[in-house]
Amino acid sequence: GENVEQHPSTLSVQEGDSAVIKCTYSDSASNYFPWYKQELGKGPQLIIDIRSNVGEKKDQRIAVTLNKTAKHFSLHITETQPEDSAVYFCAGTSNFGNEKLTFGTGTRLTIIP
Amino acid sequence: DADVTQTPRNRITKTGKRIMLECSQTKGHDRMYWYRQDPGLGLRLIYYSFDVKDINKGEISDGYSVSRQAQAKFSLSLESAIPNQTALYFCATSGGPELDTGELFFGEGSRLTVL
Repeated sequence: GENVEQHPSTLSVQEGDSAVIKCTYSDSASNYFPWYKQELGKGPQLIIDIRSNVGEKKDQRIAVTLNKTAKHFSLHITETQPEDSAVYFCAGTSNFGNEKLTFGTGTRLTIIP
Repeated sequence: DADVTQTPRNRITKTGKRIMLECSQTKGHDRMYWYRQDPGLGLRLIYYSFDVKDINKGEISDGYSVSRQAQAKFSLSLESAIPNQTALYFCATSGGPELDTGELFFGEGSRLTVL
């Protein structure tokens, strides 16, 4: 089955700087990679996703890049703000079905004012 | 009101007790899931259901059972709770492939402590 590794487990960034979280996956057939953000006391919420037919996707200050050859994908947050402080989870699946979605172990991002 | 509601939000119980966590949704989704979150382990799938008559085991189903009482309701039971089932539990829904989004919608979680 799929194995998704996520690094780092914690990340502190000065407000206004950029943050990068990286994930690697093992199943070369994986074709859908979502990122979820979990704020304190709440459930995870989808913030961006990418499919294997594209290499990069942007949505305002967040972007995700995918390198299929190396089997890794990354979340980039620019111009970080205090509300970006949260736990971020990457995930991957090979059949677009959530029943096969494998999550990474999470990154706790702290934005330092 | 939340689209995916979990009850209770917090529960402390003792080893050997039966516990039920309930989930209801107003999103009209067919697919429902139960996940467990542990520090350093991320989210792991316990059970999932694609419709009322469909129940499937996930990655870590041992020690758990589920019931899909209606399209909108999906409950998770621990027949005889043990301390290593202490965790944060999440219910989630998705619209299924015909809606082609893949997005999971999570409840706010149920924190269970087994003493």
